Amino acid sequence: QSVLTQPPSVSAAPGQKVTISCSGSSSNIGNNYVSWYQQLPGTAPKLLIYDNNKRPSGIPDRFSGSKSGTSATLGITGLQTGDEADYYCGTWDSSLSAGNVVFGGGTKLTVL
Amino acid sequence: QVQLQESGPGLVKPSQTLSLTCTVSGGSISSGSYYWSWIRQPAGKGLEWIGRIYTSGSTNYNPSLKSRVTISVDTSKNQFSLKLSSVTAADTAVYYCARESMRKGAAAFDYWGQGTLVTVSS
Repeated sequence: QSVLTQPPSVSAAPGQKVTISCSGSSSNIGNNYVSWYQQLPGTAPKLLIYDNNKRPSGIPDRFSGSKSGTSATLGITGLQTGDEADYYCGTWDSSLSAGNVVFGGGTKLTVL
Repeated sequence: QVQLQESGPGLVKPSQTLSLTCTVSGGSISSGSYYWSWIRQPAGKGLEWIGRIYTSGSTNYNPSLKSRVTISVDTSKNQFSLKLSSVTAADTAVYYCARESMRKGAAAFDYWGQGTLVTVSS
């Protein structure tokens, strides 16, 4: 059972928009930044969003992030078949120890 | 371009100690602006953070693994290492090393190794 809750799967057609939610609590998302990762099959995770809504260099603006209270959302517009992947949210959690990193269980995106 | 590469045995016997090393190239591990972390992923499952180290040697560990984990750094070799003791089949996973932004609360891992599969089996 992950500390952060994500839907197991989402799907949408090419060209459409999809959102992936990440729900937590005041000990994690509520008082820290959220990052999002894309993991293509058989590869290491890749940083998509950091500090709730910032994109690293090279990440297209089709990917966006937002945070409100104890929840965060990843948005992907103009879906492409190459976006099919697992997506994870991550943040710090202070409930057991300072600086502990927690991740969501992951969401599998299917582009129909 | 920073690159990270994990190395170590792919098979470990139950009750023994898993040992992995991450070699950093394209940048100095002593730059002072980053943490260096280990993260693992069992087959078909999600990511689990194991712990981090700073070049000073200070560490943070996942509370669920703390009693069995040791992370160390060798700045002369630009490497950091993971030791996980008393392993069981539940420790079978792909192990990643990653660079983490040194910003409180950020959990931003911007560079990752390719991952190495460690299987615990007799």
